[in-house]
Amino acid sequence: DQQVKQNSPSLSVQEGRISILNCDYTNSMFDYFLWYKKYPAEGPTFLISISSIKDKNEDGRFTVFLNKSAKHLSLHIVPSQPGDSAVYFCAASGVFSSGSARQLTFGSGTQLTVLP
Amino acid sequence: KAGVTQTPRYLIKTRGQQVTLSCSPISGHRSVSWYQQTPGQGLQFLFEYFSETQRNKGNFPGRFSGRQFSNSRSEMNVSTLELGDSALYLCASSVRAGTDTQYFGPGTRLTVL
Repeated sequence: DQQVKQNSPSLSVQEGRISILNCDYTNSMFDYFLWYKKYPAEGPTFLISISSIKDKNEDGRFTVFLNKSAKHLSLHIVPSQPGDSAVYFCAASGVFSSGSARQLTFGSGTQLTVLP
Repeated sequence: KAGVTQTPRYLIKTRGQQVTLSCSPISGHRSVSWYQQTPGQGLQFLFEYFSETQRNKGNFPGRFSGRQFSNSRSEMNVSTLELGDSALYLCASSVRAGTDTQYFGPGTRLTVL
């Protein structure tokens, strides 16, 4: 059972436009959310994160929005650039029981292609 | 600072064999986590080590094991390889255990024939 879902395996966007990547989660115990970007032949790199006490976090061209009631988060990239073409993974973490360790649960990824 | 390094980068094995993968974390990082990435499945958590102790384990069979050394380097072992074990194995390090922001290595691509 996938607790973190990225339902769009791929997304194509024109350069300069906005890219919106979506992620849904099922476990309400998740309290911290992250986005990672992965280029071919490289490991994922951390992009941006958000705590469950916030509903928005912005870093340059990247903004993450969190809707806790809908258990949904999204990553907005504005403006999109060809160098943004990569696989984007959504991840969530939380503590599910007293004494248990935090761990990251990843979605299956969305391949973003920014067309010049 | 040097990043997370993983060796080897590529590996081809046959069914039934065993394999050992190595990960050297960023200097000063004491936590190492391992993930398996397969097409369409994202990154599946294998286990996390901190101070030579396994502190968390994912839902993988006992054929998958690991260990961490006193210098924080970690190894992952898969015994009795199956075709379905073909995947990219990623190692990530962080300063402390349970830290959400992890730094990934480039991965080891394992192909089982």
